[in-house]
Amino acid sequence: GAGVSQSPSNKVTEKGKDVELRCDPISGHTALYWYRQSLGQGLEFLIYFQGNSAPDKSGLPSDRFSAERTGGSVSTLTIQRTQQEDSAVYLCASSLSTGGHGYTFGSGTRLTVV
Amino acid sequence: AQSVTQLGSHVSVSEGALVLLRCNYSSSVPPYLFWYVQYPNQGLQLLLKYTTGATLVKGINGFEAEFKKSETSFHLTKPSAHMSDAAEYFCAVSETNFGNEKLTFGTGTRLTIIP
Repeated sequence: GAGVSQSPSNKVTEKGKDVELRCDPISGHTALYWYRQSLGQGLEFLIYFQGNSAPDKSGLPSDRFSAERTGGSVSTLTIQRTQQEDSAVYLCASSLSTGGHGYTFGSGTRLTVV
Repeated sequence: AQSVTQLGSHVSVSEGALVLLRCNYSSSVPPYLFWYVQYPNQGLQLLLKYTTGATLVKGINGFEAEFKKSETSFHLTKPSAHMSDAAEYFCAVSETNFGNEKLTFGTGTRLTIIP
């Protein structure tokens, strides 16, 4: 598509429930990134995909967080047993693989855990 | 490890005045440097970037930034502020590692334009 699409745009969930956040990157962009934006922590890197592989998962905050990418396209970020501290805006971005092109970000999913 | 420092979490300028948003970075290798802008309830939009070559880079909406290696700085400027420039601005650095261009962001500067 023309841009990076994320769904849902807003998600309210009860503490302890699992949530899935979806990212549909720009067609042809092989690199895909997830970031988290929260008031206390700013913008934090979570995970990097190159194609369907995730060579850098160093930013995932705990084993409750996981992500996958299929067909070199759509990615899903899953948070299990959500906690209130997981409340944040989750941003997805895609880019051409290398060369400092910069990213195109989606509009994000605002997750609120109550 | 790379890091980014943005001086001033809030900056206010009058409409028509110069905009200067400061960014200093640390990096163990030649960095890629970026400025992103975020409007309310939106994702981040790339303003401009420095990779190699000319150290003065021009971006969208009349913004420009100059890479100064000796000062480890990448300050963002615009000669004349418009009301539509009110937003949050993020400086970021990337150290390419086998194609992984993950970004380290500064804490952001919220720009307010005074009519």
